[in-house]
Amino acid sequence: GNSVTQMEGPVTLSEEAFLTINCTYTATGYPSLFWYVQYPGEGLQLLLKATKADDKGSNKGFEATYRKETTSFHLEKGSVQVSDSAVYFCAHYNTDKLIFGTGTRLQVFP
Amino acid sequence: DAGVTQSPTHLIKTRGQHVTLRCSPISGHKSVSWYQQVLGQGPQFIFQYYEKEERGRGNFPDRFSARQFPNYSSELNVNALLLGDSALYLCASSLRSGGKNTEAFFGQGTRLTVV
Repeated sequence: GNSVTQMEGPVTLSEEAFLTINCTYTATGYPSLFWYVQYPGEGLQLLLKATKADDKGSNKGFEATYRKETTSFHLEKGSVQVSDSAVYFCAHYNTDKLIFGTGTRLQVFP
Repeated sequence: DAGVTQSPTHLIKTRGQHVTLRCSPISGHKSVSWYQQVLGQGPQFIFQYYEKEERGRGNFPDRFSARQFPNYSSELNVNALLLGDSALYLCASSLRSGGKNTEAFFGQGTRLTVV
């Protein structure tokens, strides 16, 4: 079936550290892939997306590359900030709905 | 332009009661979807409506129902509330009902607590 698997959190980093959050997916065909971010007490915000193989989505210093061969869409950022502390969700679009992973909490300390 | 707006922001209900949650999509968006996010989990799809018709339904009991109005706003109704219905209910709007380039924009959510 269709699913998304994310690495479990929390991920705890010091400011300016490098971030990787792993995401793999199972889907029929070649779905669009997304990363959403959820700050405390808020809804979801679209962080970045990619619609086809080898596409790289990027926004606010975050990047993710659509890897068809490994069915992955790992999120990376070269230097995290305290303000990046949030929960990050990987998702793919399946016909009429988004399929989300369970989320990865990122905590960045000064 | 206003984003997706949901009301109320917080709600406390008793088991067995009924609740109605409301959502106004972004102006010009004709599709509204509802998701349930239980604490510590990712959002789960409940319904999608496009042009006032149901286009998709997730794996939720018949106690959950929804509708979309001519102005594209939407209501989610839940009957006979259970403790397990406690969650953040998210509404998402998009221009189209599906397709690879469909982008969903989420509201702030309604936090429902059933006691």
